[in-house]
Amino acid sequence: GENVEQHPSTLSVQEGDSAVIKCTYSDSASNYFPWYKQELGKGPQLIIDIRSNVGEKKDQRIAVTLNKTAKHFSLHITETQPEDSAVYFCATDGSSNTGKLIFGQGTTLQVKP
Amino acid sequence: ETGVTQTPRHLVMGMTNKKSLKCEQHLGHNAMYWYKQSAKKPLELMFVYSLEERVENNSVPSRFSPECPNSSHLFLHLHTLQPEDSALYLCASSQEVGSGNTIYFGEGSWLTVV
Repeated sequence: GENVEQHPSTLSVQEGDSAVIKCTYSDSASNYFPWYKQELGKGPQLIIDIRSNVGEKKDQRIAVTLNKTAKHFSLHITETQPEDSAVYFCATDGSSNTGKLIFGQGTTLQVKP
Repeated sequence: ETGVTQTPRHLVMGMTNKKSLKCEQHLGHNAMYWYKQSAKKPLELMFVYSLEERVENNSVPSRFSPECPNSSHLFLHLHTLQPEDSALYLCASSQEVGSGNTIYFGEGSWLTVV
């Protein structure tokens, strides 16, 4: 079945620096790649997503890149702020036709003021 | 505040108890999901419902029994659970089932089995 590997598991940056989180997947049929942010005590919230017909997508300080040939996608956060501190999850749909998402293990991002 | 509401937020139950988790979505969606989030493990899909019909059961033990009486409500009935079932149970919804539909999560129900 589909497998999603996410790195690093923890990431600490200074406020204002950039943060990059990377994921690789195994199922070449994957077409949808969302990223979720989970703050303490809350459920995951979608922050950005990308589909397989697009190589890059940007929304203000957040961008996602996709390399389908290499089967990896990355989340880039620029000008990080303390409120960006959270756990970030990548996910993909694999071969599912039911909307099932397969998640990475998560990255705990700490932004130091 | 999310459009997906879960109750209770916290639940402690014994291994012989029967309890239920409740989820309600206010987004007009047709698909609902249960996910399990354990420490040090990725989020795992448990069940998928489309218009009250179960379309996926991800090899979940029968001690977890879902119920979807209508497209806005989803329950997870729990009985004879084990301590290793302690986790955060997340309900979610999307407009439809199928790839590319944005999935919206609730805040989760923290379950502790003693």
